[in-house]
Amino acid sequence: GAGVSQSPRYKVAKRGQDVALRCDPISGHVSLFWYQQALGQGPEFLTYFQNEAQLDKSGLPSDRFFAERPEGSVSTLKIQRTQQEDSAVYLCASSIPPSGTGRATEAFFGQGTRLTVV
Amino acid sequence: GENVEQHPSTLSVQEGDSAVIKCTYSDSASNYFPWYKQELGKGPQLIIDIRSNVGEKKDQRIAVTLNKTAKHFSLHITETQPEDSAVYFCAASKVWRGKLVFGAGTILRVKS
Repeated sequence: GAGVSQSPRYKVAKRGQDVALRCDPISGHVSLFWYQQALGQGPEFLTYFQNEAQLDKSGLPSDRFFAERPEGSVSTLKIQRTQQEDSAVYLCASSIPPSGTGRATEAFFGQGTRLTVV
Repeated sequence: GENVEQHPSTLSVQEGDSAVIKCTYSDSASNYFPWYKQELGKGPQLIIDIRSNVGEKKDQRIAVTLNKTAKHFSLHITETQPEDSAVYFCAASKVWRGKLVFGAGTILRVKS
């Protein structure tokens, strides 16, 4: 597709329920990021993939959060036993990784999935 | 780790006036500084970025300045229009890692 696509757009989960959030990056983008954006705050880094390899998961808040990207394209963020504090917008971004010159490239964001835990 | 602070948290300007948003960062190794605009219900969209080997960059009504010594960078929007109303985020990263650290955001309201 033309941009980063995330689904579902909205998800309401009962506390304790497991959820799975999907991200379709821009075709050809090998870098993929997940961010969590609480209401009124800036996005906070969760995890980073380069192709299928998860190179950085330092931002995942607990072991209830798990992300995968098995074929180096679509990624899924899974949250087990959801809690109210997990309510946020989850953003996915993709980019081409820095070239040999070390120049950064733009990260394109999806519209996000708004998760509400009740 | 990196910490980015952004001011002001809200900014109201009259249409046609200029708007300035300022950010400071803590990690001197950061060398890529993008600015994002986020409209309600949408993901952040890059509007301009600057790399540490450049002090200023301009794109039509938008400009960004970077002071590496002081570790701060600013977004300048001239001739503001109602459609500029949105939340603006600054961010910083070490380019070889790609992970962005965002400021808390500035709500910009342009009154017509």
